[in-house]
Amino acid sequence: SYELTQPLSVSVALGQTARITCGGNNIGTKNVHWYQQKPGQAPVLVIYRDSNRPSGIPERFSGSNSGNTATLTISRAQAGDEADYYCQVWDSSSWMFGGGTKLTVL
Amino acid sequence: ELQLVESGGGLVQPGRSLRLSCAASRFTFDDYAMHWVRQAPGKGLEWVSGISWNSGSIGYADSVKGRFTISRDNAKNSLYLQMNSLRAEDMALYYCAKSRSSGYYEAFDIWGQGTMVTVSS
Repeated sequence: SYELTQPLSVSVALGQTARITCGGNNIGTKNVHWYQQKPGQAPVLVIYRDSNRPSGIPERFSGSNSGNTATLTISRAQAGDEADYYCQVWDSSSWMFGGGTKLTVL
Repeated sequence: ELQLVESGGGLVQPGRSLRLSCAASRFTFDDYAMHWVRQAPGKGLEWVSGISWNSGSIGYADSVKGRFTISRDNAKNSLYLQMNSLRAEDMALYYCAKSRSSGYYEAFDIWGQGTMVTVSS
């Protein structure tokens, strides 16, 4: 089955830029979606189809996807961005999630 | 505000069955595909099953294939998950999620708060 690899944790200083990666074989040929999940809450879609933001998601959130790596970028990181982030792709009749990355804002 | 509310979770013995429900409101339910996603305590997200708007396309994760059955009743704005032969590894918080489109190949833009399933003797 298709595997998605995310770093377990990423740290970013307040106001700086955080980048969370999602690795997969030729992931650049797939549509990648990103979810934010805060403790005790349901996931929230923050990026769909590589780089599109749903309504209500700040412009600080952006995404890219090429080759074997998709990236979620959070600019001007805020304390409220601390959360787990998951990438997701559709492959071979099944949805796959990455293992998740815990973002810490210092 | 679009809303999904899950119910039906609880404590069940291994090998027994449970049926989850998800009630949708404030959107045209039969325009969208729907999914079940689970999250074991302290773990990541796992897609369980999905169904297209008209039930014409249905899919399951390998881990539940043959044991779980997804269905929907568009007249009742409801999604269901029949879970049979439950195992300890099925213990998780089960989320209902809405697709961005009628087919289930799009991202999940609305999620419920989840219903907990505990499998233990």
